[in-house]
Amino acid sequence: EVQLVESGGGVVRPGGSLRLSCVGSQFRFEDYGMNWVRQGPGKGLEWVAGINWNGERTDYRDSVKGRFTISRDNAENSVHMEMNSLRAEDTALYYCVAIPRPSVTVLGVACKHWGQGTLVTVAS
Amino acid sequence: SDELTQPPSVSVSPGQTARISCSGDALSKQYGYWYQQKPGQAPVLVIYKDNKRPSGIPERMSGSSSGTTVTLSISGVQAEDEADYYCQSTDDSGSFPAFFGGGTRLTVL
Repeated sequence: EVQLVESGGGVVRPGGSLRLSCVGSQFRFEDYGMNWVRQGPGKGLEWVAGINWNGERTDYRDSVKGRFTISRDNAENSVHMEMNSLRAEDTALYYCVAIPRPSVTVLGVACKHWGQGTLVTVAS
Repeated sequence: SDELTQPPSVSVSPGQTARISCSGDALSKQYGYWYQQKPGQAPVLVIYKDNKRPSGIPERMSGSSSGTTVTLSISGVQAEDEADYYCQSTDDSGSFPAFFGGGTRLTVL
């Protein structure tokens, strides 16, 4: 069974930094693009950032551009997100999400596998 | 527009059909996807590419598409279907799940 395990969440003051990590197992990691999707308390899902299978393409939602950086290490089956200049509105449960590459799936851009999330709280 | 719009809530009695709509310009060019999320759990993919069902998802869940709207239908609704449902689509590159709808709370009366 595919597993995604997130870590790195915590409580941080506005303007502070955190580094989220996600380790995948029980699947071929390089066959998947990796993404972070967050969910604020009592709110809906919000895509935050994504990286393609080999790390050559990344993209971010507008509100985090210039503050968050996503990266991956296929040798370690891991994806990371460096989060700087954190704001209260970044408070959320952050899910690590795996999307299979087009060459290995018929699912399209479907968020097929989800971790259980790591909680980030930005508060003074 | 980058937004996907869903009704905040839908209520149906057991055995009836629930229909949840999702509208947005992105859907005229890209596929729609649907997720079910129960309290305290991660979302689960229930429909991909507008109308296809992943393995393990019951046949009473189906999807359709018309223009800038995709619709999730659940026939013969059961108590276990009570959950939040989210639609999703992609950016113009079709590479990332850039857009999620605001979510619809399905209540089984």
